[in-house]
Amino acid sequence: EAEVAQSPRYKITEKSQAVAFWCDPISGHATLYWYRQILGQGPELLVQFQDESVVDDSQLPKDRFSAERLKGVDSTLKIQPAELGDSAMYLCASSLDRGSYNEQFFGPGTRLTVL
Amino acid sequence: KNQVEQSPQSLIILEGKNCTLQCNYTVSPFSNLRWYKQDTGRGPVSLTIMTFSENTKSNGRYTATLDADTKQSSLHITASQLSDSASYICVVSPDSNYQLIWGAGTKLIIKP
Repeated sequence: EAEVAQSPRYKITEKSQAVAFWCDPISGHATLYWYRQILGQGPELLVQFQDESVVDDSQLPKDRFSAERLKGVDSTLKIQPAELGDSAMYLCASSLDRGSYNEQFFGPGTRLTVL
Repeated sequence: KNQVEQSPQSLIILEGKNCTLQCNYTVSPFSNLRWYKQDTGRGPVSLTIMTFSENTKSNGRYTATLDADTKQSSLHITASQLSDSASYICVVSPDSNYQLIWGAGTKLIIKP
C-alpha cells in the first residue's frame, strides 16, 4: 500500500541552527501539505502545494521557514534559525487533488526538539 | 470565528466498553466533517467523512453522526479494543475548497 514517506523521524537541534525535513508523497498526488502539530493540539497547516506551486502559505512564518516542491513531487521544509518554540511534530500529507473532499494521507511525521 | 471544539479532552474506558466522543463546531458555511484517528507518534488516518445531507456514517466499529442544525457531531466506538487507544480529531471544512478547521482532539485510553 502506498504511503507518504518522511525523514528524519526524529531531529534534535540547538536553537539558531538550521534544520530541514523531507517528504515524498504518494505517487500521483498533486496536492502536498506541511502541518505543525504541538502536543495536545490539532495540526496547523503551514503550507499547501498544488503540483510545484504554493497555493496557501498564510500561516508559514516566512522570516524563518521556507518550503519548496521544485519538480512537483517531493518536498523540503526548512527552518533557519530554529527557535525553542519550534519544537513540535511536523507532518506531511498528500491528496489526489485540492478540495476538502479529497482524503489527506499523512506520513509518520518528524518530531523536532529544539534545545 | 470558525472553531471546532471537542469533548472530553481525554477519556479512559475498559476494553470491551462503548464510548462516544463529541464535536461541536461554529464553522459557517459548512461543506463536510471528517473524523481522524491519530496513534501516538503517527500521522492522522481518516475514519469517516460526512456532508451536509448525511447524518450517519459507519466504518467498522466506528459510527459517526452529524446534526447540521445544531452543528454537532459524535463518534461512537463499539466494543472498544486496546488498539483504539489514540487521539480522535474532528475536522470541519467550511467550503469544498477551503482550509480545514481542526479540533484539538480527544485522547482515548483503553485499559485491559
